[in-house]
Amino acid sequence: GAVVSQHPSWVICKSGTSVKIECRSLDFQATTMFWYRQFPKQSLMLMATSNEGSKATYEQGVEKDKFLINHASLTLSTLTVTSAHPEDSSFYICSARGLAGGSSYNEQFFGPGTRLTVL
Amino acid sequence: QKEVEQNSGPLSVPEGAIASLNCTYSDRVSQSFFWYRQYSGKSPELIMSIYSNGDKEDGRFTAQLNKASQYVSLLIRDSQPSDSATYLCAVNRKGTSYDKVIFGPGTSLSVIP
Repeated sequence: GAVVSQHPSWVICKSGTSVKIECRSLDFQATTMFWYRQFPKQSLMLMATSNEGSKATYEQGVEKDKFLINHASLTLSTLTVTSAHPEDSSFYICSARGLAGGSSYNEQFFGPGTRLTVL
Repeated sequence: QKEVEQNSGPLSVPEGAIASLNCTYSDRVSQSFFWYRQYSGKSPELIMSIYSNGDKEDGRFTAQLNKASQYVSLLIRDSQPSDSATYLCAVNRKGTSYDKVIFGPGTSLSVIP
C-alpha cells in the first residue's frame, strides 16, 4: 500500500515553455501533498504544501506564479512550471500523506520523481 | 542553526558491521521523526518512523529517539553493500497554522564488501 506515482518520469523542453507534472496517490486518499526540488548532490528542498481543495502554501523564495500547484482531488496534485528556464532544470519529487483504511498516515510517501531538463 | 542536522559523510563501514547514523533537530515541539533512504537518482523511500522516546526495531534497522537531547539515530546491523545510499532524517512539526516535514541534508553511507 501507500503507492505514489508521478508522470512524466522525465521531460526535456525548450526555454519559455510550460511543463505539467502529475502526482497521484494510487491506493490511498492524499489529504496533503508536498512538492520538492532536488539539485544534484543536494538535499530535498520543500517547495510547497497543498491540501485538497485549498490553495497551496509556498515556502519562502518559491515563486507561486511560476510554480502553479493544483490539488483538485484526494488522489491528484499537479505542478506546472511556467515559462521554464535552464535554471529550473532539476529533479522534482512529490510526496503524499493521507488516509487509508480509516487510519491516517503520518508518514509521507514519495513518488518516483520527474527529471526536468530545460534547454 | 539548521533545523535538522546530519553529518554529510561519507560514512564507510565494512560489510557485516553496524552503521550508525545520527541526526539532531532544533525545534523541541517536533513530534514525529522519520528515516528515509535515497539511492542516487531515485526518490526517497521510508525506512522507519518513530514517535516516542526509546528504541524501535524493524529487521536490521533500529531507530532511537531522545527528545530531551533532541537526537534521533538509525542503526543498521549486518550492513550490506545494497545499504549504500544517502540516509535522510526528517522531522515533522505541527502547529496551529502549519504542518510540515523538514529534511536533513542526508548522510552518505558506503558499505565496503
